[in-house]
Amino acid sequence: SQKIEQNSEALNIQEGKTATLTCNYTNYSPAYLQWYRQDPGRGPVFLLLIRENEKEKRKERLKVTFDTTLKQSLFHITASQPADSATYLCALPGGSYIPTFGRGTSLIVHP
Amino acid sequence: GAVVSQHPSWVICKSGTSVKIECRSLDFQATTMFWYRQFPKQSLMLMATSNEGSKATYEQGVEKDKFLINHASLTLSTLTVTSAHPEDSSFYICSANFGFANEKLFFGSGTQLSVL
Repeated sequence: SQKIEQNSEALNIQEGKTATLTCNYTNYSPAYLQWYRQDPGRGPVFLLLIRENEKEKRKERLKVTFDTTLKQSLFHITASQPADSATYLCALPGGSYIPTFGRGTSLIVHP
Repeated sequence: GAVVSQHPSWVICKSGTSVKIECRSLDFQATTMFWYRQFPKQSLMLMATSNEGSKATYEQGVEKDKFLINHASLTLSTLTVTSAHPEDSSFYICSANFGFANEKLFFGSGTQLSVL
């Protein structure tokens, strides 16, 4: 089964800087990779999906890259704001395309 | 975007009682819904896949007689934790698939279950 690794340590950055979060996987390269945002005590919210044949995807201040050689996805938030503080989860489809989630990385943006 | 409503948001119950959690897709039909459990600072662990009109598919290690799932309509799936015990205390989240191959999941707001 797929093993997903996300940095368990919280990422602390200053407002206005770019936050970069990493998602590594260990087995087969998936057809796509998803990123979700989760706030405390809430369910995850879908942010972006990037397919295996795409190198990069952008949505407003968000940018996701997908390197199937490195088995890694990077998630960037530019011009970060305190409101971006949350836990960010990456997910990969497994059997029957049912997503498996990483543990998530907590992002804290300081004003 | 699509909305998934989950109730209740939190529940406290005595050990040995049963708790029902509802998950509704409000503006779309969900033939498949997923139930997850999440412990603090841990990833979402898939418990079962709920299919409308058929029996749920449970993940290995999840007791189907303890976690009863019913998906009687295209907009409603329920999870009943039977004879709850303190170790069942957790954050339970449902999600519904919108689109092909689960490319976008919409999640409920979650239910925090505390068993005394």
